[in-house]
Amino acid sequence: DTEVTQTPKHLVMGMTNKKSLKCEQHMGHRAMYWYKQKAKKPPELMFVYSYEKLSINESVPSRFSPECPNSSLLNLHLHALQPEDSALYLCASSQETAGPLHFGNGTRLTVT
Amino acid sequence: KQEVTQIPAALSVPEGENLVLNCSFTDSAIYNLQWFRQDPGKGLTSLLLIQSSQREQTSGRLNASLDKSSGRSTLYIAASQPGDSATYLCAVGGGSEKLVFGKGTKLTVNP
Repeated sequence: DTEVTQTPKHLVMGMTNKKSLKCEQHMGHRAMYWYKQKAKKPPELMFVYSYEKLSINESVPSRFSPECPNSSLLNLHLHALQPEDSALYLCASSQETAGPLHFGNGTRLTVT
Repeated sequence: KQEVTQIPAALSVPEGENLVLNCSFTDSAIYNLQWFRQDPGKGLTSLLLIQSSQREQTSGRLNASLDKSSGRSTLYIAASQPGDSATYLCAVGGGSEKLVFGKGTKLTVNP
């Protein structure tokens, strides 16, 4: 069982929809991450929050909007996505920014 | 720019065999190195983390080594089992939030 919980597990959305991905951890970790993973590829870093502040944005398009309401929660708001944004979206956390990462099981997103 | 390479891309072995997965990196100025496993459609599970000052880490049947000077790490799996079948990824940390991942080795352990 993973200690990082992501919801929903699967999401299908149209290009005009607005949806949100959610991530929660209760390990007291101070850094939280969003990664995007395409099939047969390694994860690609999107965003990093450290102590609830956005510390890294890897030039991600504005149709992806992260939010960190508190130290345990991380959201990714989606709007006007493209079919090529279909991927597995992974949330991760770590005690500190250079510590071991703990990943959730991801949200499988399909954009139609 | 750090680059991480994992060879082979895929490996198939009979159950019970001992095996070694390889990871190489171009910049030896690393902070740590992590090995993960990923089952199909799932997230990554952290297996071992080696700090730059360490030479190896062990957990059960797994042993990871690190040779910074040669830019190499190995993951040794003893007495492999079908449940070990997964993709194994190594990731190099430079001390910040960013990890550089290899493309992974897909391991199949045949009963």
